Amino acid sequence: DVKVTQSSRYLVKRTGEKVFLECVQDMDHENMFWYRQDPGLGLRLIYFSYDVKMKEKGDIPEGYSVSREKKERFSLILESASTNQTSMYLCASRRQGAYGYTFGSGTRLTVV
Amino acid sequence: EDKVVQSPLSLVVHEGDTVTLNCSYEVTNFRSLLWYKQEKKAPTFLFMLTSSGIEKKSGRLSSILDKKELFSILNITATQTGDSAVYLCAVGAGNTPLVFGKGTRLSVIA
Repeated sequence: DVKVTQSSRYLVKRTGEKVFLECVQDMDHENMFWYRQDPGLGLRLIYFSYDVKMKEKGDIPEGYSVSREKKERFSLILESASTNQTSMYLCASRRQGAYGYTFGSGTRLTVV
Repeated sequence: EDKVVQSPLSLVVHEGDTVTLNCSYEVTNFRSLLWYKQEKKAPTFLFMLTSSGIEKKSGRLSSILDKKELFSILNITATQTGDSAVYLCAVGAGNTPLVFGKGTRLSVIA
């Protein structure tokens, strides 16, 4: 069964901590995406990557960075976590040229 | 700016009711419209629509696209409590990330 795996389902971090959210896919997909999902705001794109070592800013990149050293892994980094980054984070991947995503189960991050 | 608008934002119905969820879009270089269902975790794929007027159907769920009027509807007949979820509409345009609407939260009560 093909899948996208996010390393943590729930995470609690303190303000100012550096936070790593990991996403791994086993489908050999070229494209990977990070979204955050907040009530009333829907899914907002943070960063995406079309291939290894490539990254593009999405709509709300401030306070985040990403790393894609291997094709299957796309990491989201919160350089200095703040309470306004408390959210559900969703990772997704897709084959180059396709439209539909396969999503991970999400990481619910709480910053206290 | 590309935009996807879903309505209503939330909906409460009784089991057995039929519901219609709406999705309108303004997107440059439209290629496809997708519907996802999200329960407690990962959104799961329902339908992808690329051509106007062709209904896609899966059990009690169906969807259709109108590319002239720039909208799609998702119908659910004979609703069940297991249909309770957030339904997401997304539009694909060229080789760019999907643009999502804010979702419709459907609650089906027994």
